[in-house]
Amino acid sequence: QKQLQESGPGLVKPSQTLSLICTVADASISNGGYYWTWVRQQPGKGLEWIGHIYHTGSTYYNPSLKSRLSMSIDTSKNQFSLKVTSVTVADTAIYFCARRGWLRGLDYWGRGTLVTVS
Amino acid sequence: EIVLTQSPGTLSLSPGERATLSCKASQNVSSSYLAWFQQKPGQAPRLLIYGTSNRATDIPDRFSGSGSGTDFTLTISRLEPEDFAVFYCHQYGSSPPYTFGQGTKLE
Repeated sequence: QKQLQESGPGLVKPSQTLSLICTVADASISNGGYYWTWVRQQPGKGLEWIGHIYHTGSTYYNPSLKSRLSMSIDTSKNQFSLKVTSVTVADTAIYFCARRGWLRGLDYWGRGTLVTVS
Repeated sequence: EIVLTQSPGTLSLSPGERATLSCKASQNVSSSYLAWFQQKPGQAPRLLIYGTSNRATDIPDRFSGSGSGTDFTLTISRLEPEDFAVFYCHQYGSSPPYTFGQGTKLE
């Protein structure tokens, strides 16, 4: 059973940078075939696709957030990360990391971590 | 960006009944890249269906998906008490950004 676990500060001040790490267990992120993905969910709202990163470091970001996003991957630690700069209260959300198979889609998810901007 | 519109917003049914959830896309979605998720309070979404009609691992056969083009449907043939949750459709086609519907609450 693949496991993903998000970690990072639960509270970030406005205008600062939100930084999260997703640690993957029981699967090597250096193997190809999967896109390592971030999704967020504002309180009481629906799901928003943030972006993904491939093991090569290739990324695609949601255009609505692109100017503030940065993703990276550390294959030696089996981790990938998310940074969102210049946060506002609108960035308050539960942030999920997930694995996307090309056809199977988002098949494994972390439990999510709540980040509050205040 | 492809907009997915789910209906109804809320569906009120009883255990044993049949549930039909709709997802309409603003433009054609390849049937290979349409998925459905179930989310319960305090939990991550769980993949139910991928590629329009393929059940994910360990998903009971009372869940089925169908559709093509811009119209997709998730059907739960006989509701069990544990099925009540929020359901999201999701398109993950060849061109990002990928998008989710706004959700249908099954109560």
